[in-house]
Amino acid sequence: DTGVSQNPRHKITKRGQNVTFRCDPISEHNRLYWYRQTLGQGPEFLTYFQNEAQLEKSRLLSDRFSAERPKGSFSTLEIQRTEQGDSAMYLCASSNYRGVETQYFGPGTRLLVL
Amino acid sequence: KQEVTQIPAALSVPEGENLVLNCSFTDSAIYNLQWFRQDPGKGLTSLLLIQSSQREQTSGRLNASLDKSSGRSTLYIAASQPGDSATYLCAVSRIKAAGNKLTFGGGTRVLVKP
Repeated sequence: DTGVSQNPRHKITKRGQNVTFRCDPISEHNRLYWYRQTLGQGPEFLTYFQNEAQLEKSRLLSDRFSAERPKGSFSTLEIQRTEQGDSAMYLCASSNYRGVETQYFGPGTRLLVL
Repeated sequence: KQEVTQIPAALSVPEGENLVLNCSFTDSAIYNLQWFRQDPGKGLTSLLLIQSSQREQTSGRLNASLDKSSGRSTLYIAASQPGDSATYLCAVSRIKAAGNKLTFGGGTRVLVKP
């Protein structure tokens, strides 16, 4: 399978707990993006990596959020001390910086904070 | 700040009718524009990508046009089918060197009735 994969697909947690999501991009894609989508809205950009370097973070990414991409392969997004407002679909996308750079999206991780 | 708007927010048509979905953006300095399809609770599937130097792209029953100077794009779906029922999102990206983050519209929810 050459698509973008995300795990877990669903996560239910209690307020105040920490959660971590994983994204495996299409192999050899050097850019990786995280977006957040709330119900009825379009996705909003959170952060992106080029290889292992995190090059930009949105203002939406509070200090409770941290993302990593060790070795420029998979990426993790951690949310500490979750709040009910963090409930959303977290989408990962990858692209190849060379060429047209179409972004390919994974199936997303749906987070529900109780 | 780039803003993307999609009108209408929802659309219902009988099977066989052509669909016309509109997208407008405020900053014409874009790198490319993508149209995506999203099924309920799922990730995004890329339908068409139009580079800023192009006027349109076609794939099967889908045709997307881009008028960068006026900040508009239109997605046409010919001879709609019930399987076309989904939410359609347009997204624009900024210049490549600054990172290709996408700014999304709120989507148009389409229902094609048999």
